[in-house]
Amino acid sequence: EPEVTQTPSHQVTQMGQEVILRCVPISNHLYFYWYRQILGQKVEFLVSFYNNEISEKSEIFDDQFSVERPDGSNFTLKIRSTKLEDSAMYFCASSGSRQGSNQPQHFGDGTRLSIL
Amino acid sequence: ELKVEQNPLFLSMQEGKNYTIYCNYSTTSDRLYWYRQDPGKSLESLFVLLSNGAVKQEGRLMASLDTKARLSTLHITAAVHDLSATYFCAVTGGGNKLTFGTGTQLKVEL
Repeated sequence: EPEVTQTPSHQVTQMGQEVILRCVPISNHLYFYWYRQILGQKVEFLVSFYNNEISEKSEIFDDQFSVERPDGSNFTLKIRSTKLEDSAMYFCASSGSRQGSNQPQHFGDGTRLSIL
Repeated sequence: ELKVEQNPLFLSMQEGKNYTIYCNYSTTSDRLYWYRQDPGKSLESLFVLLSNGAVKQEGRLMASLDTKARLSTLHITAAVHDLSATYFCAVTGGGNKLTFGTGTQLKVEL
């Protein structure tokens, strides 16, 4: 079964450094998402992306965050200057279609980001 | 702002017992999802519920949706240890963004 893949599985970064998290969504999907989960807490939406532009973003997704689809397969999340509170598990997800569909969003295994 | 609440937050039960997890949401939603998460792992889709009165079953799990009450339930029948995990409900409110509930950590004792 096709799956969403994320790399790296664990990223350790010094505070203030830039970090790029990578995702390969399911190949025929059109909608891409990033979510994060701080340890022991619920999953929070960051951003959704469709047709090469952001379609929705949360308050968490401030100017320090950006997303890009540099080619036909990868979808990246960049944090420009990391803070301690950015430490979390970051999940990429993709879905094949829009509202009204019975298709769920498929999640990758996540990247655990640790900021020192 | 769409809010999603689950209860209970923690549930410890013995094998063979039945129990129900509840998911309440604050505003009209067009879709409701149930996901399972094992410790340190990703989110696995269990059910998608699209309409009032929808009921779906997979093995020992059954999910239902009452859009008028803004309530979904996840019913566990004759629990087994393998069902131990955290269960999240999530809803969409007019877009594709998922708003997740607080999660219910289920532990099934042998």
